[in-house]
Amino acid sequence: GQNIDQPTEMTATEGAIVQINCTYQTSGFNGLFWYQQHAGEAPTFLSYNVLDGLEEKGRFSSFLSRSKGYSYLLLKELQMKDSASYLCAVRGKDSWGKLQFGAGTQVVVTP
Amino acid sequence: DTAVSQTPKYLVTQMGNDKSIKCEQNLGHDTMYWYKQDSKKFLKIMFSYNNKELIINETVPNRFSPKSPDKAHLNLHINSLELGDSAVYFCASSQGSTLYGYTFGSGTRLTVV
Repeated sequence: GQNIDQPTEMTATEGAIVQINCTYQTSGFNGLFWYQQHAGEAPTFLSYNVLDGLEEKGRFSSFLSRSKGYSYLLLKELQMKDSASYLCAVRGKDSWGKLQFGAGTQVVVTP
Repeated sequence: DTAVSQTPKYLVTQMGNDKSIKCEQNLGHDTMYWYKQDSKKFLKIMFSYNNKELIINETVPNRFSPKSPDKAHLNLHINSLELGDSAVYFCASSQGSTLYGYTFGSGTRLTVV
């Protein structure tokens, strides 16, 4: 099975940087995903890591360390529209693309 | 064009009723999923179909029965609805074990009263 842990909530001000950590324990590993979910909407894909290191996509970056079972999502130059829940999800080796999700981190951006 | 569409968006029904949620994707994906998101926002997989064949069946009460008439459609039928079934149900699709995860539908908010 898989255990995925991430903080429940984080607050930051507009223009700042926030780092959302995710730790996981899995019997097999075949990739880690980050999704963004605004209230009342569907999750949308942000990033994918399968090898160690940093993936950068504009204001968002995601890092993975497989040996530590650890990932983070870095949000830079925060905007009010970034207020949302950020979901960490892990895909195991023995699954048909099945993703196991963490409970999500609610990011609140204040003016 | 909506990539993954679910109907209805909202569903309010009484305990004991039977209801269905429909899902269709026009992305040409070969794999479809049903996820349940409870009040604590935790997304949990229920079922997955690959080319109309059931490949993932998590520990879900047998009151829930998925049906995939073709690889573009995956419906969810729920018998004898209970209060605890109240949640948001998301359909999703992917192309096999994709690098890009899933494309989710907009969700169906089910409220059992």
